[in-house]
Amino acid sequence: AQKVTQAQTEISVVEKEDVTLDCVYETRDTTYYLFWYKQPPSGELVFLIRRNSFDEQNEISGRYSWNFQKSTSSFNFTITASQVVDSAVYFCALRRTGGGNKLTFGTGTQLKVEL
Amino acid sequence: EAGVAQSPRYKIIEKRQSVAFWCNPISGHATLYWYQQILGQGPKLLIQFQNNGVVDDSQLPKDRFSAERLKGVDSTLKIQPAKLEDSAVYLCASSYPWGYNSPLHFGNGTRLTVT
Repeated sequence: AQKVTQAQTEISVVEKEDVTLDCVYETRDTTYYLFWYKQPPSGELVFLIRRNSFDEQNEISGRYSWNFQKSTSSFNFTITASQVVDSAVYFCALRRTGGGNKLTFGTGTQLKVEL
Repeated sequence: EAGVAQSPRYKIIEKRQSVAFWCNPISGHATLYWYQQILGQGPKLLIQFQNNGVVDDSQLPKDRFSAERLKGVDSTLKIQPAKLEDSAVYLCASSYPWGYNSPLHFGNGTRLTVT
């Protein structure tokens, strides 16, 4: 069985602070994919990043960075110098290779960035 | 590129009534998904289509939920009769066929309230 745990239900930060969203996953597969999606108040889930299980290189995209550690089954997401527009619910998700693209989502982390 | 279109955005019905949601995927996306997102939870896959065939409907409550994707483009999800626990956001997503390992693109969702 696959499972994604986002232990942080809600995080509040002040603008320009850095914030890290945690994601821990469980799977018996050796090959899999991990995703992060952002859900702003409009409701649409916006794709942020995909990472396959063979690629443990960290990735940076502007103010966003992702730290994938297979040894601890974690795929954490850091926002540097947060902005009010970053306020949203962030979901981590897991997909098996050959699993028909079915995503298993975590319960999400509500990020609130205040002035 | 136009995104995934869903309608209506909101729907309020009484229990035991029926309701239908419509989804138009991104042009060229052969795979279409319906997800149910209950408040405070991550999205859960209800059904997945590849063109007009069902790939996965293992979590669809088939006694009351039905979905179709005629002609392999638009899709309709129906609930009949609705229960209180069906109150949720229903998200439609589309992607290229899963063999292409493409991310899912989501619509804004339909927020259903059953009273």
